[in-house]
Amino acid sequence: EPEVTQTPSHQVTQMGQEVILRCVPISNHLYFYWYRQILGQKVEFLVSFYNNEISEKSEIFDDQFSVERPDGSNFTLKIRSTKLEDSAMYFCASCGGRSYNEQFFGPGTRLTVL
Amino acid sequence: RKEVEQDPGPFNVPEGATVAFNCTYSNSASQSFFWYRQDCRKEPKLLMSVYSSGNEDGRFTAQLNRASQYISLLIRDSKLSDSATYLCVVNKDHAGNMLTFGGGTRLMVKP
Repeated sequence: EPEVTQTPSHQVTQMGQEVILRCVPISNHLYFYWYRQILGQKVEFLVSFYNNEISEKSEIFDDQFSVERPDGSNFTLKIRSTKLEDSAMYFCASCGGRSYNEQFFGPGTRLTVL
Repeated sequence: RKEVEQDPGPFNVPEGATVAFNCTYSNSASQSFFWYRQDCRKEPKLLMSVYSSGNEDGRFTAQLNRASQYISLLIRDSKLSDSATYLCVVNKDHAGNMLTFGGGTRLMVKP
């Protein structure tokens, strides 16, 4: 069964550094998303991406964040100048295909900012 | 008022029990509804979509009441492996839009 994959599984970085989180969505899906979950809190939407552009973003997704689909398979989240409060689990999701409104999540990248 | 509200639990039940979770949502324009399951430190996994007519998948039954803005999940014959956090999730549009998650209800099934 096709799955969303994410790399790395765990990223440790120093405050102020830039990180890039990578995702490979399910191949025939057209909508891509990033969510985050701070430890012990609920899952929060960051951004949705369709047809090579951002279709919606939350208040969390400020100028510090950017997304890109550099080729036909990868979908990346860049966080510039990381802060301590960016420490969280970041999930990529995709939807499309037969179950057009059901989003499937990747295993996540645990980001730790020191 | 929270956009999606759930009782955090935990619900502690014996194997074989029937357990029900409820959820309320505040946005009356919400169009799609889901239950996800999340194991500790893992990703949310889609359990089932929730349709207006109600739907069943094996031991799991989901109901939607649009008038009351209320969603439910019933689990029959609980298994140890059902122990997880159950997330009520709504989507304001049919496709391409953000999912709004509830805080989750924790279920612990004991032998």
